[in-house]
Formats: sequence, structure tokens, C-alpha cells
Amino acid sequence: GENVEQHPSTLSVQEGDSAVIKCTYSDSASNYFPWYKQELGKGPQLIIDIRSNVGEKKDQRIAVTLNKTAKHFSLHITETQPEDSAVYFCAAEMKTSYDKVIFGPGTSLSVIP
Amino acid sequence: EPEVTQTPSHQVTQMGQEVILRCVPISNHLYFYWYRQILGQKVEFLVSFYNNEISEKSEIFDDQFSVERPDGSNFTLKIRSTKLEDSAMYFCASSVNRGGVYVQYFGPGTRLTVT
Repeated sequence: GENVEQHPSTLSVQEGDSAVIKCTYSDSASNYFPWYKQELGKGPQLIIDIRSNVGEKKDQRIAVTLNKTAKHFSLHITETQPEDSAVYFCAAEMKTSYDKVIFGPGTSLSVIP
Repeated sequence: EPEVTQTPSHQVTQMGQEVILRCVPISNHLYFYWYRQILGQKVEFLVSFYNNEISEKSEIFDDQFSVERPDGSNFTLKIRSTKLEDSAMYFCASSVNRGGVYVQYFGPGTRLTVT
């Protein structure tokens, strides 16, 4: 069935280092992959997304890559800061009527000052 | 920047009671969704809604659940007879079609506690 896997489940990095989160998806028809950041007690916030006709997208310190053949996509955060600490969810939109989003299980990122 | 809003932020109810969770989607969005997140788990799709009808629902969304757009701005989720296992964060989302994809924006959530 529809599934998105995500690794690692927890990640601790020193401030200034890079963080990488990796995901795989099962539905080869998916063509849109958003990433959400969830801070404690808040809803998921869209931080970046990528479409299947693009291999890489960058927005300041955040970049996403997509390998559609392998059904892998990744989030890269460079020069991490304490405010980057949150739970990050990768997601894949399933090609149903209005594209429900299937979330990965999340990665809890801690940036240590 | 427009946001999805949800009320209440926290709802406590007794098992068997009915609850209504309310959402105001972003004003020019046409597609609406409910998701839930049990504590410590991932966000799960419940239902999508367009043009005043359900377009898709998950197996979680059984006969105890219903959705409605009672007016031009609100979107509600009703749980008819709550169970302990309905305790979760419920997120509303709305989207607009941009170049063939539905970019979804989430509200802050309602924490539902069933005792």
C-alpha cells in the first residue's frame, strides 16, 4: 500500500554542522514531495517542496534532492541553528482525487548549541 | 500571510459525547482536509473535501465521523460518539492547485482528549 519511510528517527548535530534526513516512497505515481517542520504544540509547517520533474531544489540553508528512479528523496540543512530543532516530516502526495499527503514517521532533530 | 485557523486549541470530552472541531481554511483555497496525529506518531490522513462533498476518506474515517462546510468560511469535523482512542491532535489543511499539485497548508491543530 501507500507508504513513506524516513530515517533517522532522531538526529543530534552540533550547531553549524549539516543534517540530512532521507525518505523513500512506494507510489511510483507520486509527483510532489513536500517537507514539513513541526515545532512542539504546533501544526506541520511547509518548509520546502519538490516536484518529480526536478532533481534538486534549494532555499537558503535548506535543500531537497529527489531520485525518482530509486524513489528516494532527502532533506539537507546546512549551518544548523538551535531554532532548527523540531520534528521534520517528509511526505508524498498520492495521486488520488485531490492528492492526499502521506507522511513519513518523522525525524526529531536536535541542534546542540 | 494567510493561515489556516482552528478552534478550539484544546477540547476535553467524555467518552460517548459528540464533539465538533472547527477550521477556517485559507480564503481562496478550494480543497480541504482533516488529518490526525496520535501522540508520538505520524500524521495520518482522514478525509478530503471539495465542492461540498467528500472526495476521499481513509479507513479511520468511519460512520462516527462527518465533515461539513456549513457556510462560506468554516469547515468542521464532527465525531458523533467519541472513544478513548479518538484522543489525538486533529489538523485541518487546505490547498490550492498550483501547476497540477495540491500544495497543502496546515492549521495549528486541536488537541482532543477523551476521558
